[in-house]
Amino acid sequence: QLQLQESGPRLVKPSETLSLNCTVSGVSISGSSDYWGWIRQPPGKGLEWIGSIYYTGITNYNPSLWRRVTMSVDTSENQLSLKLSSVTAADTAIYYCARRNYDKVAFDMWGQGTKVTVSS
Amino acid sequence: DIVMTQSPDSLALSLGERATINCKSSQTVLSTSSNNHYLAWYQQKPGQPPKLLIYWASTRASGVPARFSGSGSGTDFTLTIDSLQAEDVAVYYCQQFFNTPHFGGGTKVEI
Repeated sequence: QLQLQESGPRLVKPSETLSLNCTVSGVSISGSSDYWGWIRQPPGKGLEWIGSIYYTGITNYNPSLWRRVTMSVDTSENQLSLKLSSVTAADTAIYYCARRNYDKVAFDMWGQGTKVTVSS
Repeated sequence: DIVMTQSPDSLALSLGERATINCKSSQTVLSTSSNNHYLAWYQQKPGQPPKLLIYWASTRASGVPARFSGSGSGTDFTLTIDSLQAEDVAVYYCQQFFNTPHFGGGTKVEI
């Protein structure tokens, strides 16, 4: 059964880089046509797509964040990673990783999310 | 970018009533190559990640009760919940995948 689990520091200082990992279990990242995405949700607000990555390293980023976002994939560890640089309080959010199903063209499986707070 | 606009922002209904949530895209989300609308609906309950309800605008995801249905075409889409149940209290989001993915602002459904 496919599971996704986000991990990383819960507290990041302003101007520093937020770094998160997403461990995928139950399916090989490199074994399908699916993309893998990161989505965030500020406290009490809606969902914002951050970007998506294919196992070959092909990425698509939200134009509003692309200057600060780097996504990568480690197929040997079956893990995704997200880096967001120069963070501010506005980057405080729950960060989710999810699978973008190739056929359904939708995020059909989500991790539980990890809350990251940007504060000094 | 294709902007998604949901309405209403919130909805308060009684058990057994029908909930209707609208989602409008600023451009078509119809893929002419697949003849599918790249429009999905998600349900998010408090403290939980979103759950996929509907994809291709009208196809229910596995395990989703039949009281949930999606409809629409072009730029106007609707999520309908027939006979609202207590467990349907949640925020519902539409999302387009035609190009840069964007979510609608969400509709909160309360009993």
